[in-house]
Amino acid sequence: QSALTQPRSVSESPGQSVTISCTGTSRDVGFYNYVSWYQQHPGGAPKLMIYAVTKRPSGVPDRFSGSKSGNTASLTISGLQAEDEANYYCCSYAGSYAWVFGGGTKLTVL
Amino acid sequence: QVQLQESGPGLVKPSQTLFLTCNFSGGSISSANYYWTWIRQPAGEGLEWIGRIYTSGSTTYNPSLKSRVTISIDTSKNQFSLKLSSVTAPDTAVYYCARQDTADDHFDYWGQGTLVTVSS
Repeated sequence: QSALTQPRSVSESPGQSVTISCTGTSRDVGFYNYVSWYQQHPGGAPKLMIYAVTKRPSGVPDRFSGSKSGNTASLTISGLQAEDEANYYCCSYAGSYAWVFGGGTKLTVL
Repeated sequence: QVQLQESGPGLVKPSQTLFLTCNFSGGSISSANYYWTWIRQPAGEGLEWIGRIYTSGSTTYNPSLKSRVTISIDTSKNQFSLKLSSVTAPDTAVYYCARQDTADDHFDYWGQGTLVTVSS
């Protein structure tokens, strides 16, 4: 399985919205609705933000939302706040009992 | 409160075997609702799924690591373990243990991670 493709970095101003893409293939993102997103601050452990493409765990602000179209999943963060600045990773089930992550996107809140 | 905590040597010599343990608290590792997973992250790089184990002892591994990986579980101690044999420098990484939900396959709780360096 190949890693999912994410932009290396995105940036936006506080209060604005930003969307991070995650492109896979018809054998992973495009076929299964098991896409999840993780937030990781420097030196910290990943934290689950979105699962099953669109579901949000309790405690995660509703500013975070997920979607999918074809082979590309997306994470949208609205009303950007300084604490949202972090690395974000997508993950998808890739069949044959294996999971694949994206390379990560560094979000900078200007 | 659900918590996972990795432990093990921070330095392993090339060609030797890496061994890590993950202690789970705040519930039972025998729960039917979860798998127990290892994931690693080389410095400055992305995440790589290593493999997982179920309470029954059933395992699945990343095909790229399968020949060198063994994951085991000890339900009496509420912990699971990772063995990675014949390590080389590219195996240097922060190793995380995580809980994986069986319903939607996401990793809902993670340990803080432990850095393992492969060097002589």
